[in-house]
Amino acid sequence: SAVISQKPSRDICQRGTSLTIQCQVDSQVTMMFWYRQQPGQSLTLIATANQGSEATYESGFVIDKFPISRPNLTFSTLTVSNMSPEDSSIYLCSTNGAGRSYNEQFFGPGTRLTVL
Amino acid sequence: AQSVSQHNHHVILSEAASLELGCNYSYGGTVNLFWYVQYPGQHLQLLLKYFSGDPLVKGIKGFEAEFIKSKFSFNLRKPSVQWSDTAEYFCAVLSGSARQLTFGSGTQLTVLP
Repeated sequence: SAVISQKPSRDICQRGTSLTIQCQVDSQVTMMFWYRQQPGQSLTLIATANQGSEATYESGFVIDKFPISRPNLTFSTLTVSNMSPEDSSIYLCSTNGAGRSYNEQFFGPGTRLTVL
Repeated sequence: AQSVSQHNHHVILSEAASLELGCNYSYGGTVNLFWYVQYPGQHLQLLLKYFSGDPLVKGIKGFEAEFIKSKFSFNLRKPSVQWSDTAEYFCAVLSGSARQLTFGSGTQLTVLP
């Protein structure tokens, strides 16, 4: 399994500002994923971040709004740029496991973002 | 693209009642299937998973799910629910080479004491 931590756990931000969320995994992993869970909704994949390449964004998400960094095999950041109240969500980082757990995904505790 | 349907948005049961939550997916190829649970204020946890083999899989806390390929279904069951099972339950499918999960819309389960 993989143990994932995220910072910050929650934040309240003003409209028009940006927030960078950090995701740290306790082991080296190939793929890291960023999801959004809007209030009362399911999880929606924002992008897949592989080390050494550009992140792959899902339909409806763009790099200018959600830039992602993946500097090494244990760490990634997601920035929510020029925030609006519609960006209020829980943002979750996840990764697939290794070895026999490769087909499983493990999730971080999430970052609860409120935009005023 | 893969899609996952959970038919029940909110289920309310009394303790000791039996539970079945429906999940259907659209992809016809090889899939890996999961049920996750999110207790109030906590992060997602894996309940159970199906990769291959016996289509009836058992997970934690007395939950089980049955994979029926012909129906593209992976329904979650528990014979007797407890108040502590109150949570949101998500069905998810992993398909293709991208290794990304597609989630259903979730089912909020409320168990009355």
